Amino acid sequence: DTGVSQNPRHKITKRGQNVTFRCDPISEHNRLYWYRQTLGQGPEFLTYFQNEAQLEKSRLLSDRFSAERPKGSFSTLEIQRTEQGDSAMYLCASSLSWGAGNTIYFGEGSWLTVV
Amino acid sequence: QKEVEQDPGPLSVPEGAIVSLNCTYSNSAFQYFMWYRQYSRKGPELLMYTYSSGNKEDGRFTAQVDKSSKYISLFIRDSQPSDSATYLCAMKGGSQGNLIFGKGTKLSVKP
Repeated sequence: DTGVSQNPRHKITKRGQNVTFRCDPISEHNRLYWYRQTLGQGPEFLTYFQNEAQLEKSRLLSDRFSAERPKGSFSTLEIQRTEQGDSAMYLCASSLSWGAGNTIYFGEGSWLTVV
Repeated sequence: QKEVEQDPGPLSVPEGAIVSLNCTYSNSAFQYFMWYRQYSRKGPELLMYTYSSGNKEDGRFTAQVDKSSKYISLFIRDSQPSDSATYLCAMKGGSQGNLIFGKGTKLSVKP
């Protein structure tokens, strides 16, 4: 499978714990995006990287959230001191930044439930 | 007012019907318009991508963009039960990295 890969697919955690999600983009894509989606809503942008540089962060990305893409390949999204309001599906997406770069492909998402 | 407005439905149609899904937007800087299909508990799947105004057809799907009215549409011809899903419109400006999504319209095609 050469699509966007996300792990784990499901995570249940207790409030206050830290969680980390991993995303492996489509191999030739230099842009990587993180979105969050709650029930009945469209995905909301969190942040994106071009290569290893984090170019934009949403106001939704509180200081408990941190994303990295250390070598411009895979990325991690860490949520510290989880709260029940963090329960959502976290989506990763990737694209090129040129040519058909505006075609953004999504992974299957990582579901987080905070109890 | 949200940047992108989309009626969440639900929309229920009989098999074989023509389905019309729509979004309106407020940001005149948007240039790239997409439609994604999302099945329950799955990630969004890109269906159609359109740059600026005009029509684009792909099989049973037609995307239309009217930038003067800030209105985009997706038409599905000969709808099938397998088309039952949530359809999300999304758009971005030329210099923007991220997509802005509508809430999604939940479609059910009854056999």
